[in-house]
Amino acid sequence: EVQLVQSGAEVKKPGESLRISCKGFGYSFSNNWIGWVRQKPGKSLEWMGIIYPHDSDTTYSPSFDGQVTITADKSTSTAYLQLNSLKASDSAIYYCARTMITLTTFSDLWGQGTLVSVSS
Amino acid sequence: SSELTQDPAVSVALGQTVRITCQGDNLRSFYAAWYQQKPGQAPVLVVYGKNDRPSGIPHRFSGSSSGNTASLTITGAQGEDEADYYCHSRDSSGKHLIFGGGTKLTVL
Repeated sequence: EVQLVQSGAEVKKPGESLRISCKGFGYSFSNNWIGWVRQKPGKSLEWMGIIYPHDSDTTYSPSFDGQVTITADKSTSTAYLQLNSLKASDSAIYYCARTMITLTTFSDLWGQGTLVSVSS
Repeated sequence: SSELTQDPAVSVALGQTVRITCQGDNLRSFYAAWYQQKPGQAPVLVVYGKNDRPSGIPHRFSGSSSGNTASLTITGAQGEDEADYYCHSRDSSGKHLIFGGGTKLTVL
C-alpha cells in the first residue's frame, strides 16, 4: 500500500529537542519530494519546507529557516523533521506529505500526523 | 513572500452549489491545489492543476482559475463535504509553498 507513516505522539519539555520521522511505503521514495507542514490547534496549515531524498536538496520556508532541520535517508525511505529548543508554541500536529513540484504543485499523499505537546 | 487569502467561513444548502475562493498575486503565475480536512484527520487533496482530481475524489469537486483568484466549486454539496478547505500554491518567488488561511464549509 502506498502510504507515509509517521512516528508517534511526543510529549516534551521546553528546551528539549525532537526528531519526527516519516517513512514511505509502496512508491519510489527517493524520487519524490517530501514536505513538512505544521498545524497548531484550531489553526491553518503552515508549510515548513521540503526535501528531495535522492540528493537531499532542501528548501525551507522563510518562516522556519534556521528553526528546524529537514533531512532524509533514502536507504530507509525515511524523512525527518528536527525541532530544537522546543517552546510551548511548538505544540502542534506535524504532517509530512509527498509533494509534486511541477508547473502544478500539490501534495497527494499525507502522513497521519504527529502530535507534539511541549509543556513544563 | 506572498499570501493566499480565503474567506474564513462559507455555508451552502444541501444539494446546492458552492464556490470557495483563494486570492493571491502569485496565482497569476501558478495553479492552486485544494485540500479538504475533516476534524482529527490529515488533509486530503481534492483538486490540483488546471482542474484535475485524484482518483477517488467525486466529480462534484472542480477547480478553476481567473487572474489572481483560484476557485474550488462543489456542485451538489453533500453533508460529508462539511470540512475545512485549504488552497496551496507557490509564493511569488516560486521557491516556497504557502497555504491559504482555510475556509470552513458548513452544509445546511
